[in-house]
Amino acid sequence: QVQLVESGGGVVQPGGSLRLSCAASGFTFSSYGMHWVRQAPGKGLEWLAFIRYDGHDKYYADSVKGRFTISRDDSKNTLYLQMNSLRAEDTAIYHCVKEKAVVMDYWGQGTLVTVSP
Amino acid sequence: DIQMTQSPSTLSASVGDRVTITCRASQSISSWLAWYQQKPGKAPKLLIYKASNLESGVPSRFSGSGSGTEFILTINSLQPDDFATYYCQQYSSSSWTFGQGTKVEI
Repeated sequence: QVQLVESGGGVVQPGGSLRLSCAASGFTFSSYGMHWVRQAPGKGLEWLAFIRYDGHDKYYADSVKGRFTISRDDSKNTLYLQMNSLRAEDTAIYHCVKEKAVVMDYWGQGTLVTVSP
Repeated sequence: DIQMTQSPSTLSASVGDRVTITCRASQSISSWLAWYQQKPGKAPKLLIYKASNLESGVPSRFSGSGSGTEFILTINSLQPDDFATYYCQQYSSSSWTFGQGTKVEI
């Protein structure tokens, strides 16, 4: 069965950096695009970034463009999100999500990132 | 960027009710719309893709319709397990956007 397990969350100061990881299993990771989606406490879902199955194309939401970088290591079945210049408004649960024909069919449970002095 | 607006934000219903949730796009997205269900403390679950296609394993009481800018999620005969928050999501031009969510409560 498909499993997506995020890690790397924690408390970071404003302006700091964090790298999130997502370990994928149960499917052929290298054949699928992957997303990062976040949810601030008590708020709705916000799409952040997408990487195509071959890693050649990456797309970002305006809110994180230039600060966040999505990447993947198919040899490790792992998706990453490098987050720099973090702000208080980046506080959220960050989900790794598998693509299915432009929609999102499997979600990880998420990792909490808290940006606080 | 395309904005997605759901209505209502909150919906009070009873078991057995027929429930409809509307999602409007700020510009035409053809049929590139999905619906997700999220329960407290859980990750979202895909219900409907490409506006009207039921995801495998999703009960047939869920259905989706619409195209262009207006879309509807219908839940026939609401079950206790259906009390949750529902999100629409569009895909267009390598960008994805969610609606703000509709909470279905008793």
